Amino acid sequence: NAGVTQTPKFQVLKTGQSMTLQCAQDMNHNSMYWYRQDPGMGLRLIYYSASEGTTDKGEVPNGYNVSRLNKREFSLRLESAAPSQTSVYFCASSALGDYSNQPQHFGDGTRLSIL
Amino acid sequence: AQKITQTQPGMFVQEKEAVTLDCTYDTSDPSYGLFWYKQPSSGEMIFLIYQGSYDQQNATEGRYSLNFQKARKSANLVISASQLGDSAMYFCAMREHQTGANNLFFGTGTRLTVIP
Repeated sequence: NAGVTQTPKFQVLKTGQSMTLQCAQDMNHNSMYWYRQDPGMGLRLIYYSASEGTTDKGEVPNGYNVSRLNKREFSLRLESAAPSQTSVYFCASSALGDYSNQPQHFGDGTRLSIL
Repeated sequence: AQKITQTQPGMFVQEKEAVTLDCTYDTSDPSYGLFWYKQPSSGEMIFLIYQGSYDQQNATEGRYSLNFQKARKSANLVISASQLGDSAMYFCAMREHQTGANNLFFGTGTRLTVIP
């Protein structure tokens, strides 16, 4: 099973360039998430989509936009990349469940460097 | 204030021994869930174990168990019979149910090294 697939796996950008990180899941999950992971800081939520057609800001949304294209796909866009956005980006998905006991399933991450 | 605190940046354990990774949390939500994830050097995040705030018993999954002390707001991960493949980063995370957001708050992680 593919699970959560992220593309690309690696990317180098110049300051000011734009790009879109793609994420797709094949587990029929309703909820999808974008996190960033920086050294010593754990994972922080950028945006999430509780269900198809909805998106909400997380802890660190500035400089990013998202699109929930359909139930399977949730993309993250950097309109004007900045060096502070150098990070590893993870997409995740989860099913809805009573008392939210459903774990989030993660993709393999995208390592993004902004020069 | 940090919602999840992992005070051990690094831990070492001898192969076949047990090890406890600490996690404390901070929430005023009476209903919440606690998760542990493993991140090997290859980078993926692997779900290990879940504990709900209303669960009466400590969660167990194979060699993983969770020492849940609600009054102390701690949810320590116990790995029994450590294996070389257990060497990885381990993250504790929490979901607060009243927010309805379904998102996780992560700690900063503990790097576990299993010594042969």
